[in-house]
Amino acid sequence: QQQVRQSPQSLTVWEGETAILNCSYEDSTFDYFPWYWQFPRESPALLIAIRPVSNKKEDGRFTIFFNKREKKLSLHITDSQPGDSATYFCAASLSGSFNKLTFGAGTRLAVCP
Amino acid sequence: EAAVTQSPRSKVAVTGGKVTLSCHQTNNHDYMYWYRQDTGHGLRLIHYSYVADSTEKGDIPDGYKASRPSQENFSLILELASLSQTAVYFCASGISNERLFFGHGTKLSVL
Repeated sequence: QQQVRQSPQSLTVWEGETAILNCSYEDSTFDYFPWYWQFPRESPALLIAIRPVSNKKEDGRFTIFFNKREKKLSLHITDSQPGDSATYFCAASLSGSFNKLTFGAGTRLAVCP
Repeated sequence: EAAVTQSPRSKVAVTGGKVTLSCHQTNNHDYMYWYRQDTGHGLRLIHYSYVADSTEKGDIPDGYKASRPSQENFSLILELASLSQTAVYFCASGISNERLFFGHGTKLSVL
């Protein structure tokens, strides 16, 4: 079963717009939620992460909004740039070294100039 | 920057043959992972390890074995390769699960 779901599968926005990528999870015990991004022909890399002690995490133009009650989170990319075009993966796990990350299927974002 | 090196970068294998994918990290990380990536499925965990000479099953271990002979090296073994194992395979290392450093991937085609 898919424990982490992402939507939409693909998203196209214009340069300067805000892109919103959605993620939901099933296991209510998950307490660590990183987002990874992957550029074409590159490997995934950590972008930003959040723990449920807060409902918002900001890093420049990238913001995670977290809703623990609904088991949903979203990644907002403000003032989108063509260089943001990539596949974005939401992941979830229990915090702690011995716990594995479960990734969603990804959202492919295209930012048009 | 953390360094994870995978070899080979690409491989064509025949059905029923044995395939070994290698991963080497110079980060001094205890944790190493093997993921496969397929279109529409994202990254799925095959095997992982948090100490040399020990491996753990991930979410899709069937058809795969793993070997961690040292802290730096982690191999993925397909004893009898099948068409369904055509995918891109990523190795990753980390101090914990909080930040993984991925290699550049191995594109495996099984014919």
